[in-house]
Amino acid sequence: DTEVTQTPKHLVMGMTNKKSLKCEQHMGHRAMYWYKQKAKKPPELMFVYSYEKLSINESVPSRFSPECPNSSLLNLHLHALQPEDSALYLCASGRAWDYNEQFFGPGTRLTVL
Amino acid sequence: GQQVMQIPQYQHVQEGEDFTTYCNSSTTLSNIQWYKQRPGGHPVFLIQLVKSGEVKKQKRLTFQFGEAKKNSSLHITATQTTDVGTYFCAGPSKAAGNKLTFGGGTRVLVKP
Repeated sequence: DTEVTQTPKHLVMGMTNKKSLKCEQHMGHRAMYWYKQKAKKPPELMFVYSYEKLSINESVPSRFSPECPNSSLLNLHLHALQPEDSALYLCASGRAWDYNEQFFGPGTRLTVL
Repeated sequence: GQQVMQIPQYQHVQEGEDFTTYCNSSTTLSNIQWYKQRPGGHPVFLIQLVKSGEVKKQKRLTFQFGEAKKNSSLHITATQTTDVGTYFCAGPSKAAGNKLTFGGGTRVLVKP
């Protein structure tokens, strides 16, 4: 299985809502990533988990809270988001910490009203 | 910090023609990776180059890594409508803590 899955595909939420994005991979990868992508821009790294431990937080606001329950799952908890947080949120996984090729999921398109 | 630039930003190509897109990093890269993102899709890994001067081919796509490991190119021959999308280069560098830095992408539009 060489696929990274993400749910939901689309999410619309108000600024007072709490929601979660989910990501799953079964490739045995030990590095998992959250990226944010705005239209016509490259993916922008948010968080890196290596062996289920948070290893990089790119100064992301605390209204985004990542969680890695196990080596196959990655969540992103959202709370009190702003309209400017509307974007495509991509999960990716990779074999190791050393930034070889990454496999991206289809993303969650988030709209904050 | 590390910067990765891609040119051109947009590439309008007549179907059947060839074109090249270029990627330049401000720092030496451990490797260079290329991804393709179709409209409405997600980035898909194409290839990784590791060695200085390395050249790899995938059908009509030819990838090259510069001698100084700071630049790369992607050449597509006989462009097809299936080549439409945005091509990103990305590379980790020790100077940036080995984080993967993406270039701004080259958006390819094909005229039939």
